Formats: sequence, C-alpha cells, structure tokens
Amino acid sequence: SSELTQDPAVSVALGQTVTITCQGDSLRDYSAAWYQQKPEQAPLLVIYGKNNRPSGIPDRFSATTSGNTASLTITGAQAEDEADYYCNSRDSSGNHVIFGGGTTLTVL
Amino acid sequence: EVQLVQSGAEMKEPGESLTISCQNTAYSFMKFWIGWVRQMPGKGLEWVGIIFPDDSDTRYSPSFQGRVTISADRSTTTAYLQWRSLRASDTAIYYCARFIASNVYYFDNWGQGTLVTVSS
Repeated sequence: SSELTQDPAVSVALGQTVTITCQGDSLRDYSAAWYQQKPEQAPLLVIYGKNNRPSGIPDRFSATTSGNTASLTITGAQAEDEADYYCNSRDSSGNHVIFGGGTTLTVL
Repeated sequence: EVQLVQSGAEMKEPGESLTISCQNTAYSFMKFWIGWVRQMPGKGLEWVGIIFPDDSDTRYSPSFQGRVTISADRSTTTAYLQWRSLRASDTAIYYCARFIASNVYYFDNWGQGTLVTVSS
C-alpha cells in the first residue's frame, strides 16, 4: 500500500494527553516522522524515527509504532500545540515518500 | 542552523512556464538531499520529488513525474522547481526542505514556502 491514513480531527482538553495515529502497511517496515504545521507557517519536524526529537522540540512530544500504526503522543497538551499534524514515511516499495492526510488538533 | 530561503510568490496564467528557487545559506549543500513538497489550498502535504546536488540524482513522485523538473546549481547552492506549462491545478504553496534518507525518510528543515497562483 502507498497510503498513510490519519483521523481528520482530534481534540484534547488543556493539560491532558492526546494520541494522533497514522496507519499504513509500509509502517510495518519503515519508521515514520511527524510534523506540526500552524496556520500560515511551514511544517516543523517534531519527531523522526522510533522516537527522536529535534533540538528545541519539547519532551511532551513522543512517538511509538506498533504493527501498521505509528502514534504521536502529546503529554500535557498546551494551547500552542493546536495545529495540523502530518505523518510521513516511505511507501511499500521503499523508494518514495508518502504523507498522511493530516490531523487537526484542537486544544480545548 | 540550516536555512533555506525560497523565492517570492508568483502569479501566472495557464500555459506559462515558471521556475521557483530554494537557496541554502547555512549547510553543506552538496551532501544532503533537497526535496519539494506541495500544499494545495486547504489541503495536506504531498511529496513532489528530491535531488542530491552533488551528482544531480533526482527522484520524482509518480504523481509529478513528467509535470515538473527539479534541478540544482552547485555554484549558487540553489535548488529549483520548474514547470513548462502551468495549469490552474498547480496553484499551491511549494515548500523546499532538507531531506534525510536514512532508515527513516524525513524533512528536517523547511523553507518558508512559495505561493504559486495560476489563473487566467
């Protein structure tokens, strides 16, 4: 399969924990990366590989993978975490990049 | 800090050609892949293709193969995305980003984006 599927929208109460998922057959073989995109801004890498955070990304962001599902967890969501989140990985051939459709996170 | 600076917004008519640019100002341009990503209005991210400036090895998404050309100029450390004949459906923001091809494929630093509007 060459698709990554994300829920279109998720909400979380301020300070609570939320998990955003990304499903695809290629995730059984290849790790995912996660991006945060706020309105009118370029995407920002928040997690890559098994659970690696670039410099400057708060440690409330973490990731896991199980089977064909990659998950991004925000522990103690903050108002500034409200954004669109995208996963990406390789397709099943391993040769191409694919993105999930994105999840809009609302912090209530 | 990696910095990718993209060219400004463009407004074109269908059938016209266009080249947009992405200049690297901070890291070893030759040794990292550069990728292009499309975001149509109100939509998600789509991979367009990547180039390795050192040898100009280029890979395209099947969805964009034949529609665009990616190139790089070593002397100016700049990558380019080119269309020969634009369509209204090419209207989008196009981002360049440094692409890391390890066991994980990901984009770790992004340009600010170039808005391309195609309309008659």
